[in-house]
Order: sequence, then structure tokens, then C-alpha cells
Amino acid sequence: NAGVTQTPKFQVLKTGQSMTLQCAQDMNHNSMYWYRQDPGMGLRLIYYSASEGTTDKGEVPNGYNVSRLNKREFSLRLESAAPSQTSVYFCASSGHRGYEQYFGPGTRLTVT
Amino acid sequence: GENVEQHPSTLSVQEGDSAVIKCTYSDSASNYFPWYKQELGKRPQLIIDIRSNVGEKKDQRIAVTLNKTAKHFSLHITETQPEDSAVYFCAASRSGGGADGLTFGKGTHLIIQP
Repeated sequence: NAGVTQTPKFQVLKTGQSMTLQCAQDMNHNSMYWYRQDPGMGLRLIYYSASEGTTDKGEVPNGYNVSRLNKREFSLRLESAAPSQTSVYFCASSGHRGYEQYFGPGTRLTVT
Repeated sequence: GENVEQHPSTLSVQEGDSAVIKCTYSDSASNYFPWYKQELGKRPQLIIDIRSNVGEKKDQRIAVTLNKTAKHFSLHITETQPEDSAVYFCAASRSGGGADGLTFGKGTHLIIQP
């Protein structure tokens, strides 16, 4: 039981490049989330998917898109990366009514 | 939207003493309040949570209290140990996180002095 997994672990992009961060969970959870963590800012919600087939914006959605591919997988896409998107990105999932969110190991992204 | 304030930003205590971290929230509809511990370079890990129909919850050396009227909740760690050193985050949600995710405080760096 791997829990929540994320790929890649590290990534360096040039300004304007695009990439997709992958997230998968094997806990049969309905809800999945993407957060970003910046020094001194805590974690901020980018997008979430309350159930398969639905996605909604969080606090900081600008510059990102998401896809809930199936119940297990939730991807985050940066279409044109900017230095302000340099951050650590965490995916999370939760089961019954969203209680107890479990986090993946994170992706450290640097945009130069 | 919800706003969560967390204090202090840094807390240094002697090993064996107690530590208290406090959070306030703005949305009276919030009803779920988890606490996460994050070690350097690692993912946040859920350590305890409380729902709005409960005033206090305890798990061994960790306890959380909730005052809905004042809109604040606190994490209490007793008999602190070196492995308690980490950054702790409080969070709030209106419906367990399923409808709108979690709003986090900015974190407290807890340092346990030997």
C-alpha cells in the first residue's frame, strides 16, 4: 500500500516551459487536492477534486490546470512556467467526507 | 474565504516541558480542525484532528482544544521529546475538506532544547 505517490521528485524548468505533475493514490479515496508550499506561507490550495469527474479552484489557481484522470489519479499542469511558480507541490487525498487528508512526498520545482 | 492565523511562529522549550500552539479562524462555518507535523524535507503528517461537535481530544502526549465561540483552537504537547522538533501547521475546513480543501496557518517551528 503505497498511499499517495507523486512524480517527479525534483524538476527544473525554464520560464515559459510546460510540465505536468503526476499524483496517484491507492487508498480508494474520493477527494484529491493540490497544494503549494512556499517558505513562511504554509500550504495553499491550488485545485481540488471532491470526487471523480469534478474539479474546483482553490485559493491560488492562476497559472495551473488540473485533470482528474480517474479515481486514482489527479494531475497538475503548468502551461507556461513562471519564476513565481517555484515552490514545493504536494498532492493529497482524503476519504469519507474529506476528513483526514494524506499527503504525497512532494515535488520540488524550480523555474529559472 | 477562511483565514487561519497561527502563533507563535517559533517556539523553543526545554525537553520535558509542555508546548502550546494557538490558532484562530475567521469562518464560523468551519467545522473540522486538523494539525499536521512536518519534518525538514518531508511531507506533512496528520497528528490529531478535532471536529466542531467536540471541545477537546487527546492522544497520548498530544491534545487539541476547540473554542467555537471564540473561534480558536490549540495544540498541546506534554513531556516534549527531541523527536517533537518540527514545524506544526493548524488548518480549518468547512466540510471536512471534501468541499473546499483545507486552509492552513503559516506554521510554528517547535524547537526542543536538550
